[in-house]
This record gives sequence, structure tokens and C-alpha cells, in this order.
Amino acid sequence: EDKVVQSPLSLVVHEGDTVTLNCSYEVTNFRSLLWYKQEKKAPTFLFMLTSSGIEKKSGRLSSILDKKELFSILNITATQTGDSAVYLCAVATDSWGKFQFGAGTQVVVTP
Amino acid sequence: EAGVAQSPRYKIIEKRQSVAFWCNPISGHATLYWYQQILGQGPKLLIQFQNNGVVDDSQLPKDRFSAERLKGVDSTLKIQPAKLEDSAVYLCASRAPERAGEQFFGPGTRLTVL
Repeated sequence: EDKVVQSPLSLVVHEGDTVTLNCSYEVTNFRSLLWYKQEKKAPTFLFMLTSSGIEKKSGRLSSILDKKELFSILNITATQTGDSAVYLCAVATDSWGKFQFGAGTQVVVTP
Repeated sequence: EAGVAQSPRYKIIEKRQSVAFWCNPISGHATLYWYQQILGQGPKLLIQFQNNGVVDDSQLPKDRFSAERLKGVDSTLKIQPAKLEDSAVYLCASRAPERAGEQFFGPGTRLTVL
């Protein structure tokens, strides 16, 4: 059975801190790994990773994939209150784009 | 481009009643997904359509859930009869043919079964 596990489940940080979110996976057929941000609405796309060791970066967010150790990390530097959200990790497991999601990490950034 | 549209946004029903949700994907997106997201969990795929054909419905509780996408554009998801454990957010997503991974999500329908 395909499995995606995110850690920690939740964390509280102060503005300006750096957070690191983890996503590990065990799937029979790996196509890509995606990160989404979910506030009180639909998930919005952050990154898609397919190759090991290549960092993807967007502003204060960055992510990297390790296909040997089967995990990815999402980093947020200089956090702001607007970063408060649930961060979801999803692994695409077939060519039709079927996703296996993790449970998410709830991030709360306090002023 | 317009996003994925869903309605209603909220629905409260009593157990054993029926309910239907509607989704209109982004124009030109052939692939459409319905997910169930229970509070505190990640979205779980219920059914996936490619145009008007079902690609994967292995996790759809077929005794009570049904979905259709008759003309390959908009889609409806129905629950009949609803159970308490069906309380969740139902998300619809769509994907462009040329985009290998990214799915675009609608705002979701929050269902409460009393």
C-alpha cells in the first residue's frame, strides 16, 4: 500500500524563524512529488520535484528531493504570519496523475 | 484563466439523506478528480475521470457514492444515503493534458452530516 508520511504534524514558530517540513514516502511507482499550501480553502501549488538533489526555489520557500532515501523537505525562511497554513505533500504514482497525499503539517507563525 | 468552480460551498444534511456536488473544471482540462478530505487528514482520491471515462474509482464507496462526467466537462458527485462519517470537505481538481503533475483545486464543498 502506498504511503506518504509528513512530519511534524504541527508546529508553532515566531515570525522570522526558519521551518523545515519533512515528507517521506513508500510507493510502488514514483512519478513526482508535489508540495501544496492549504489555507482555509483549496490547496495551492508550490513545487513539483522529479529529480534528486535539484533544489527548487520560490522566494523564501525552497524544496529538495532525495529519491534514494525517499524523502523531500520544504524549507521556509524568514517566516511571516501569512505563511500560516497546512502544507501538504503529494506523490504522483501513475501517468494519469493519481496522487497519494500525506496528512499535512500545520504551521502557525506568531507575530 | 478561470479556476475550478464548485457548488455548493457548504451543505448540512441529516444522515440517510441524499446530496449532490457539482464541479466545473478549468476549460480544456481533460482530467478531473474528486477528493474527500476529512478534518485533520490529507485529501483522499475518490474518483478520476479522463474526459468522460473513469480512470480510477478504486477508493469510491460504490454502495453509496456515484459520480458522472457525461459530456467530459463538468461533473457531479452524489452520496445516497449519507452517513455521519461522510462529513468532510469534497474537493474537485483538474489537470491540463500537457502538465504532467500539477492539479488545480476548486474551493471545495464542506459537508456536515447530522
